[in-house]
Amino acid sequence: DQQVKQNSPSLSVQEGRISILNCDYTNSMFDYFLWYKKYPAEGPTFLISISSIKDKNEDGRFTVFLNKSAKHLSLHIVPSQPGDSAVYFCAVLYNFNKFYFGSGTKLNVKP
Amino acid sequence: EAQVTQNPRYLITVTGKKLTVTCSQNMNHEYMSWYRQDPGLGLRQIYYSMNVEVTDKGDVPEGYKVSRKEKRNFPLILESPSPNQTSLYFCASSLVAGGDEQFFGPGTRLTVL
Repeated sequence: DQQVKQNSPSLSVQEGRISILNCDYTNSMFDYFLWYKKYPAEGPTFLISISSIKDKNEDGRFTVFLNKSAKHLSLHIVPSQPGDSAVYFCAVLYNFNKFYFGSGTKLNVKP
Repeated sequence: EAQVTQNPRYLITVTGKKLTVTCSQNMNHEYMSWYRQDPGLGLRQIYYSMNVEVTDKGDVPEGYKVSRKEKRNFPLILESPSPNQTSLYFCASSLVAGGDEQFFGPGTRLTVL
């Protein structure tokens, strides 16, 4: 059974609006969460992370929110740009060495 | 240029024919890892290595072997490939275990007939 779930395979958003990508996890022991972005024919690239001691982390247009009680995290992109169109993977780092990834959400930002 | 390289980028092979996918990084990273990406399943960790001569199983290690004889190289070995190992494979590295910024290679598309 998947430890990390992204239930929306795709999301379409108008340029300039907010994109919200969601992720749920099963294990309350997970304490470090990451988002990666992947363009076609390339490897994933690290985007932003958050530790379980925080509930929010911002980096420019990207903000990650963590709700530990709900075992849920989300990535907000504001404002969305066409260059943000990619597949976004949520991931958790467990025990400092194991990674579990979600199945990805394909974001399409329309001009 | 700091990078993770994988070879080959594309490979079509037949069941049972041993193959090796190479991975090399030039960033002096301690931690390296292999993943496979399949539709609807995302990336799943196959093996990882905390440092030279230290390797351990990820989530889906069956049918794969790895070795870490040098810090920069982390080859993935399929001793007897089967069609269910047809997938897109990524190698990644980070400065240390637990380092969040893993750098990924460009991927190897493997088809086993």
